[in-house]
Amino acid sequence: NAGVTQTPKFQVLKTGQSMTLQCAQDMNHEYMSWYRQDPGMGLRLIHYSVGAGITDQGEVPNGYNVSRSTTEDFPLRLLSAAPSQTSVYFCASREPQGFGYTFGSGTRLTVV
Amino acid sequence: RKEVEQDPGPFNVPEGATVAFNCTYSNSASQSFFWYRQDCRKEPKLLMSVYSSGNEDGRFTAQLNRASQYISLLIRDSKLSDSATYLCVVQGGKLIFGQGTELSVKP
Repeated sequence: NAGVTQTPKFQVLKTGQSMTLQCAQDMNHEYMSWYRQDPGMGLRLIHYSVGAGITDQGEVPNGYNVSRSTTEDFPLRLLSAAPSQTSVYFCASREPQGFGYTFGSGTRLTVV
Repeated sequence: RKEVEQDPGPFNVPEGATVAFNCTYSNSASQSFFWYRQDCRKEPKLLMSVYSSGNEDGRFTAQLNRASQYISLLIRDSKLSDSATYLCVVQGGKLIFGQGTELSVKP
């Protein structure tokens, strides 16, 4: 039981490049979310999903797209990377009636 | 105003000290409340849920006051291993995190 798996762990992008951050969970959790964490800002919600085929925007969705074609996977796409998107990205999942989220180990992204 | 606000840190305390963290939230419809712990450059991990009746887990005690929209975490007999950032988290449909309070326990 791997929990929540994020790839890659580290990534450096050039401004304007696009990429996809992968997130997969093997716990059959319905709810999945993407957060970014910046110094002094705490974790901020980017996008979330309450089940396959259903996604919604969080607090800071601009510049990011998501899709949820399966229960297991919830990829986050950066459309055109900007230095402001330099951050640590966490994916998390939980059961609808569960308490709290299980987090992946994070992706550390630098945009130069 | 932020949806979830925590005491600014860092808290620097000696081993054995008692330390308290406070948190306020703005959405009165919030349903569930948690404290998470985050070690440096690692993912957040659930420390404990918070209930209106108060709950205790060893050296950790959490309290919720719905009327005042206030949450607290008390750590007794601090250990070096308690050094981390403590995140106050409020759940409605989504999880909303406070900015975290850093705790450093010194020998």
